[in-house]
Amino acid sequence: EADIYQTPRYLVIGTGKKITLECSQTMGHDKMYWYQQDPGMELHLIHYSYGVNSTEKGDLSSESTVSRIRTEHFPLTLESARPSHTSQYLCASNQGARSPLHFGNGTRLTVT
Amino acid sequence: DQQVKQNSPSLSVQEGRISILNCDYTNSMFDYFLWYKKYPAEGPTFLISISSIKDKNEDGRFTVFLNKSAKHLSLHIVPSQPGDSAVYFCAASEVRDDKIIFGKGTRLHILP
Repeated sequence: EADIYQTPRYLVIGTGKKITLECSQTMGHDKMYWYQQDPGMELHLIHYSYGVNSTEKGDLSSESTVSRIRTEHFPLTLESARPSHTSQYLCASNQGARSPLHFGNGTRLTVT
Repeated sequence: DQQVKQNSPSLSVQEGRISILNCDYTNSMFDYFLWYKKYPAEGPTFLISISSIKDKNEDGRFTVFLNKSAKHLSLHIVPSQPGDSAVYFCAASEVRDDKIIFGKGTRLHILP
């Protein structure tokens, strides 16, 4: 049973729309992450947070933004969606150094 | 440049036999390695990890081997079962940075 929840699971949206992908975890983890994955490719880290009011950009440049106002919540926002944003977005959390990531089931985003 | 490489995009193994998935890495600072399993439309699930102070870690049917001098690790699954059919991701992190870097994955097919 998942302890980290992502909504929506699937989203099809038109170009130019603003979207927010939700991610919540019930494990009390301080560290949370957003990964982006295209089919057959590695998971690329796009954002991470080590605690409330802490956010950093990952290794892959992304036009999305994130916020961390509460420990359990780490939403990702795209102000103006474009077809190049079509991908799967995976949220994860962990307890700290040398601990595995727990992933949500992802949001598959399609921008038409 | 990829720091974690899984050079086999896919692998087919007969049910009951051993599945061996391979992973190479280039960053000598990596000291913690993980394997994840991913089914379609789900997030990755943690399988097993290994610290660089060990060369083997075993958990049930899953064993991970680490060869630091060759910068190579492998995941052995024995015996292979139909439910093992999935994409397997190798991942690593380094001592100074908790960010986890993923490979592109290997799709494992277990044949009846």
